[in-house]
Amino acid sequence: GAVVSQHPSWVICKSGTSVKIECRSLDFQATTMFWYRQFPKQSLMLMATSNEGSKATYEQGVEKDKFLINHASLTLSTLTVTSAHPEDSSFYICSANTGGFTEAFFGQGTRLTVV
Amino acid sequence: SQQGEEDPQALSIQEGENATMNCSYKTSINNLQWYRQNSGRGLVHLILIRSNEREKHSGRLRVTLDTSKKSSSLLITASRAADTASYFCATDAGNAGNMLTFGGGTRLMVKP
Repeated sequence: GAVVSQHPSWVICKSGTSVKIECRSLDFQATTMFWYRQFPKQSLMLMATSNEGSKATYEQGVEKDKFLINHASLTLSTLTVTSAHPEDSSFYICSANTGGFTEAFFGQGTRLTVV
Repeated sequence: SQQGEEDPQALSIQEGENATMNCSYKTSINNLQWYRQNSGRGLVHLILIRSNEREKHSGRLRVTLDTSKKSSSLLITASRAADTASYFCATDAGNAGNMLTFGGGTRLMVKP
């Protein structure tokens, strides 16, 4: 199946710093990618839809100035958590589809810990 | 936003037993998908069932879909300790880009 690679897998950063997470589709092009956040023992909550070549669409309650999304190419979307705070500590996961109404392929996730 | 509810939230069974998880959703869908997640890892796609399908099998997995009741079930037969994971249903409403909305998940523990 298609492969989505997410990097880094794990990051610890200090409060106030920014962290960039990359999501790459390795063997297919993705005009749309999705970013999710998952707190411990909870389900995935959609944060935003990343659209290649245009602005991301954010879900209600997600601060677009804090979670910057860039989808500059058909194989790469990045999520930057700006001025991170401990409450931003979470598991962030991206996904992409190969097109049509098919399954989604997920990255392996990034565990962010802000200290 | 979460569309669906899953029950049970947690399930503990012995190896060899069957595990059934249920998912309910609220809006019309194009398809419904089940995913598995091991602790702290990404999601692995298990099975996709389209809105015009009622039942689908894949190995030890059996999925049903009742669009009139807006519900689906995932049955894992002859469970193994390695099946221990969280299982999520996700609905695709057919929006552009195939956005998925996830249920709350069921944490399954299979005891050896």
